Amino acid sequence: GAGVSQSPSNKVTEKGKDVELRCDPISGHTALYWYRQSLGQGLEFLIYFQGNSAPDKSGLPSDRFSAERTGGSVSTLTIQRTQQEDSAVYLCASSLNWEQFFGPGTRLTVL
Amino acid sequence: DAKTTQPTSMDCAEGRAANLPCNHSTISGNEYVYWYRQIHSQGPQYIIHGLKNNETNEMASLIITEDRKSSTLILPHATLRDTAVYYCIVRVANRDDKIIFGKGTRLHILP
Repeated sequence: GAGVSQSPSNKVTEKGKDVELRCDPISGHTALYWYRQSLGQGLEFLIYFQGNSAPDKSGLPSDRFSAERTGGSVSTLTIQRTQQEDSAVYLCASSLNWEQFFGPGTRLTVL
Repeated sequence: DAKTTQPTSMDCAEGRAANLPCNHSTISGNEYVYWYRQIHSQGPQYIIHGLKNNETNEMASLIITEDRKSSTLILPHATLRDTAVYYCIVRVANRDDKIIFGKGTRLHILP
């Protein structure tokens, strides 16, 4: 069946521009997560949505980062005024009970 | 912070058993040990999890010490496709929540 999809697969932007990254979770999954992975670094939690509850934003590195999940399905991660240190692979995952299924990621490069 | 300690890297000959250790001396009574792996350029993939009894599935076996302070993931007959970063994680079981990943072990399967 269809897994978690993310778009775009690659994004190159200039410093100071805003970017939007999209995640389509597995249909029916109530939980959605965003992580990022910088070059040579481990996976870093960013934000977690669960149903209609307030999201857990404890991992967002600055107020330039925000995320929405519309209709309990698709999610968009927005990074405003991008900086070079934002360059990373942004991974989305979804789950129904506990097992998280990860998408292929969006590779963001900030020039 | 991650509650686990793993070797940075390991090598294993193809066809042999790969034994990946993990220390989790501060594990709580309601926390399980989970293993994920991340193959190059892909999102992490769930492998196995357990509480205190040894577990086996089609991918691997998980051996947890009686005091639960350490565990070993065993890939019984490693193949080149098992080359990946393996993450040992402790978390409360069977519920949705963010994953706090450590640095993991980079496993190289040698032909």
